[in-house]
Amino acid sequence: GQQLNQSPQSMFIQEGEDVSMNCTSSSIFNTWLWYKQEPGEGPVLLIALYKAGELTSNGRLTAQFGITRKDSFLNISASIPSDVGIYFCAGRWGAQKLVFGQGTRLTINP
Amino acid sequence: ETGVTQTPRHLVMGMTNKKSLKCEQHLGHNAMYWYKQSAKKPLELMFVYNFKEQTENNSVPSRFSPECPNSSHLFLHLHTLQPEDSALYLCASSQAVVTSGRGGNIQYFGAGTRLSVL
Repeated sequence: GQQLNQSPQSMFIQEGEDVSMNCTSSSIFNTWLWYKQEPGEGPVLLIALYKAGELTSNGRLTAQFGITRKDSFLNISASIPSDVGIYFCAGRWGAQKLVFGQGTRLTINP
Repeated sequence: ETGVTQTPRHLVMGMTNKKSLKCEQHLGHNAMYWYKQSAKKPLELMFVYNFKEQTENNSVPSRFSPECPNSSHLFLHLHTLQPEDSALYLCASSQAVVTSGRGGNIQYFGAGTRLSVL
């Protein structure tokens, strides 16, 4: 079946630093989604991508749909304490079920 | 507020108890999902309902019994659970499973029910 490899699994950074994480798939997708989950809450959608090469921003967050359609990247610029959480990528092809990555746990030292 | 409400937020139950989790969505969606989230594991899809019909059961043990009376409500009935079933159970909804166009399958999650089985 389809598999997503998300990396890194965890990150420990200083406030103000930029963050980069990525997901790679064993097969091509036509939709990539990025979610953030805070402690005690469900995942919240951050960015949705629908086209190879697409670059979309949401405030300090920027995500890209890789041109091979097998990967996606999420960058956070100038991190702040409220960026702490677990970031999940998810992808799908057509009407097939959404597949999730294992998550990247982000910790920020003030 | 994502438009998907789950109750209760926390539940502690013994292995012989019977309990139910409830999910309600106010987004006008037609598909609803149950996920299990355990520590250090990816989200595990359990069940999918599309227009009130179950379209997917991901080899879930029969001690978990879903019910979808209408497109806005989803239940997960629990009985004779095991300690390894302790996890965060998340409900999600989307427009419809068969919609393959832009945005059709974006899932919106509730805050989850934290379940502990003693």
